[in-house]
Amino acid sequence: SQQGEEDPQALSIQEGENATMNCSYKTSINNLQWYRQNSGRGLVHLILIRSNEREKHSGRLRVTLDTSKKSSSLLITASRAADTASYFCATGELSGGSYIPTFGRGTSLIVHP
Amino acid sequence: EAGVAQSPRYKIIEKRQSVAFWCNPISGHATLYWYQQILGQGPKLLIQFQNNGVVDDSQLPKDRFSAERLKGVDSTLKIQPAKLEDSAVYLCASSVQRNTEAFFGQGTRLTVV
Repeated sequence: SQQGEEDPQALSIQEGENATMNCSYKTSINNLQWYRQNSGRGLVHLILIRSNEREKHSGRLRVTLDTSKKSSSLLITASRAADTASYFCATGELSGGSYIPTFGRGTSLIVHP
Repeated sequence: EAGVAQSPRYKIIEKRQSVAFWCNPISGHATLYWYQQILGQGPKLLIQFQNNGVVDDSQLPKDRFSAERLKGVDSTLKIQPAKLEDSAVYLCASSVQRNTEAFFGQGTRLTVV
């Protein structure tokens, strides 16, 4: 089963604009991670935010986490054509003492030059 | 630092045949994951190893899929016999520990005809 669900499924913007994508999940988590996937480089880890953190930055990326709403958002500022990719959230679900990383279906982002 | 190595990159087999995929994780990474990614979907966890022990294999179709991680390093994933619906990209990932960022290999694209 896929716990995390990204929204929107697809996003098309112009270079220089900001892109925001959201992730909702269902059960308690240990952490939440965002990944990027494009055909050239496979799945690449972007940022990890722990359940006791509310916001985290990495370069042009900003991630927020609201555990009360079971949701997270990824903001890419000043987007570039090279940001074109699919973005996935992965929730670190705790199940029976084990850590089960579960991916959503992803947001497909197209940045037009 | 060398990344996660997977082979082969591509494989085409007929249904009911068997196939094996190999993964060499990043040196020192205790946790190894195998994911199945069907076109248009997010990666689905098949099995998770901690060193050479299985942590979770709840989504592994055990009637046809098997995996092992000998000596807590390399891992192989086998499908026998293959079905048409097994056509997907099989991704291997590793991480230092279970709740840290995962590094992915380029994957093996399997086509069952």
